[in-house]
Amino acid sequence: GESVGLHLPTLSVQEGDNSIINCAYSNSASDYFIWYKQESGKGPQFIIDIRSNMDKRQGQRVTVLLNKTVKHLSLQIAATQPGDSAVYFCAEKNTGNQFYFGTGTSLTVIP
Amino acid sequence: KAGVTQTPRYLIKTRGQQVTLSCSPISGHRSVSWYQQTPGQGLQFLFEYFSETQRNKGNFPGRFSGRQFSNSRSEMNVSTLELGDSALYLCASSLAASGGRNEQFFGPGTRLTVL
Repeated sequence: GESVGLHLPTLSVQEGDNSIINCAYSNSASDYFIWYKQESGKGPQFIIDIRSNMDKRQGQRVTVLLNKTVKHLSLQIAATQPGDSAVYFCAEKNTGNQFYFGTGTSLTVIP
Repeated sequence: KAGVTQTPRYLIKTRGQQVTLSCSPISGHRSVSWYQQTPGQGLQFLFEYFSETQRNKGNFPGRFSGRQFSNSRSEMNVSTLELGDSALYLCASSLAASGGRNEQFFGPGTRLTVL
């Protein structure tokens, strides 16, 4: 079955530092990956996505890296701000067109 | 443009009852997916509807069902509620079916508590 895991359930960083959130996936045939941010009391919010034919994609203050060899995905947040405090999920879309989500990493930004 | 709306936001039911949750997607979006979110399991895919047809279904028992109307609004129903059904139920809409690369926009969810 599918398995999408996150290396750390919690992460604390100082404001202004860079954050790195990691995710491992199990299905080598997955072709599309998304990072979501979920704040308390809200639904997940799309951050950035990447297709399997890419290994890096950059957005505003965020970068997603995909290593298909080890089936690893990471989200890098530059100059982390208090508003970045949330739970971050990675999701993979498999060949059956279903999305599988990890359980999430809780990011806390320390002012 | 209004986002995805879900009603009700909170619901308390007792075991054995049934419940219907509603989702209105973003205007113009034809795909609606439902997810169950619990602390231990994270987000788990329930089903996806596109143009009133169920396109994909997750590994949930038949007590969980859904439908989509011609205006793309969707409902999900859970019958014979169990304590383990307590969760946040999230609806996500997208322009097209999940076969392509489509950004999903999530609603705020319905918090269901089964007593």
